Amino acid sequence: GEDVEQSLFLSVREGDSSVINCTYTDSSSTYLYWYKQEPGAGLQLLTYIFSNMDMKQDQRLTVLLNKKDKHLSLRIADTQTGDSAIYFCAEARGYQKVTFGTGTKLQVIP
Amino acid sequence: GAGVSQSPSNKVTEKGKDVELRCDPISGHTALYWYRQSLGQGLEFLIYFQGNSAPDKSGLPSDRFSAERTGGSVSTLTIQRTQQEDSAVYLCASSSLPGQTGELFFGEGSRLTVL
Repeated sequence: GEDVEQSLFLSVREGDSSVINCTYTDSSSTYLYWYKQEPGAGLQLLTYIFSNMDMKQDQRLTVLLNKKDKHLSLRIADTQTGDSAIYFCAEARGYQKVTFGTGTKLQVIP
Repeated sequence: GAGVSQSPSNKVTEKGKDVELRCDPISGHTALYWYRQSLGQGLEFLIYFQGNSAPDKSGLPSDRFSAERTGGSVSTLTIQRTQQEDSAVYLCASSSLPGQTGELFFGEGSRLTVL
């Protein structure tokens, strides 16, 4: 199966850390991605991780991958109001088909 | 163009009419994807093109939906005899293959409303 699941909504206070979780089912996934969609806009790639990695850090973003449990998370440190958006987890096998999750709407409260 | 361009950005149509949605990918990108985004439903995969061929059409919801790509560039998604449940934002994305990250570059979408 090729299901990617996320919780629909997360609310955090400005300055706190946000953790967005994702589970996937395809163990042959080679890449896992986090995309961000701001209101009225298309999706933009935030970060990605190869399936043979456990962690990737990029400034305020930390991606953790637990391949055994097929669990991916995105941590945003010092969350800002500009981080308010919908965050999509996605998986790809090779470069063929990219399957997206349902998206998590992050609301940052000032 | 510099990015993925989609048209029309907004389309309102009556139930039963046919619609065509257009996607102009980034120049040189060989892979092209169509997704549908409905309220609360996330991104639903529709179809993927590699060049002009579509190795994966598994996501097309019914035979009312079809897509083609010509010249390895522009793609058209056609919905015949539209139904109210077809109302959604249709997103197109392109990717260069082989790419190091497989990043998809998205257009801003075509919002379809079927009355």
